[in-house]
Amino acid sequence: QSVLTQPPSMSADPGQKVTISCSGSSSNIGNNHVSWYQQLPGKAPRLLIYDTNYRASGTPDRFSGSKSGTSATLVITRLQAGDEADYYCGTWDRSLSVGLYVFGTGTTVSVL
Amino acid sequence: QVLLEQSGAELKKTGSSVKVSCKASGGTFRTYSINWVRQAPGQGLEWMGGIIPVFGTGKYAQKFQGRVTITADESTSTAYMGLSSLRLEDTAVYFCVVGLTFDDWGQGTQVTVSS
Repeated sequence: QSVLTQPPSMSADPGQKVTISCSGSSSNIGNNHVSWYQQLPGKAPRLLIYDTNYRASGTPDRFSGSKSGTSATLVITRLQAGDEADYYCGTWDRSLSVGLYVFGTGTTVSVL
Repeated sequence: QVLLEQSGAELKKTGSSVKVSCKASGGTFRTYSINWVRQAPGQGLEWMGGIIPVFGTGKYAQKFQGRVTITADESTSTAYMGLSSLRLEDTAVYFCVVGLTFDDWGQGTQVTVSS
């Protein structure tokens, strides 16, 4: 249903790096900034990254965002147990058939 | 930072309607971009629509056109999301969110639809 595709799950050891991809199209990622959201278990989502690569207030510098063409990436370095959460990308979309704002399918990050 | 306080959980019958409120504090309410996002059990996030109070008119995802109404009352800094003709699959947590980059989120309102 979502027009932004993410890997369903990723896992890594503490201290390692995780790279989460978000694939879209020219109607969304290709022509708009991307945001990333973190949703801890049982909590509301919170903004992590906005305008593709700017950290929101309170976001550690271990989190970084980037974009190339119609794909965006969230990188988490020095992974910690507290990073276990669902991560969603999101952006505005110009295609009225899907809605003005679209979210990715979500990626569950597990710390081994 | 904008603080958002949403109304409590709702239990509704199929075919009925629900209206969820979201009271904002901090910032200038009339210029906010206020959006509603829902999350069905075990599922991802889904944008339903949004409004900027100073402009008055809501914009909606095509999926919800005709069933959802988003309004804002500047006098009380409160936004509302109404959803009609409820179906079982409308069971979800509904979040209000402020900001063009979805900066601040409410705590969520559980809406359960049963037959």
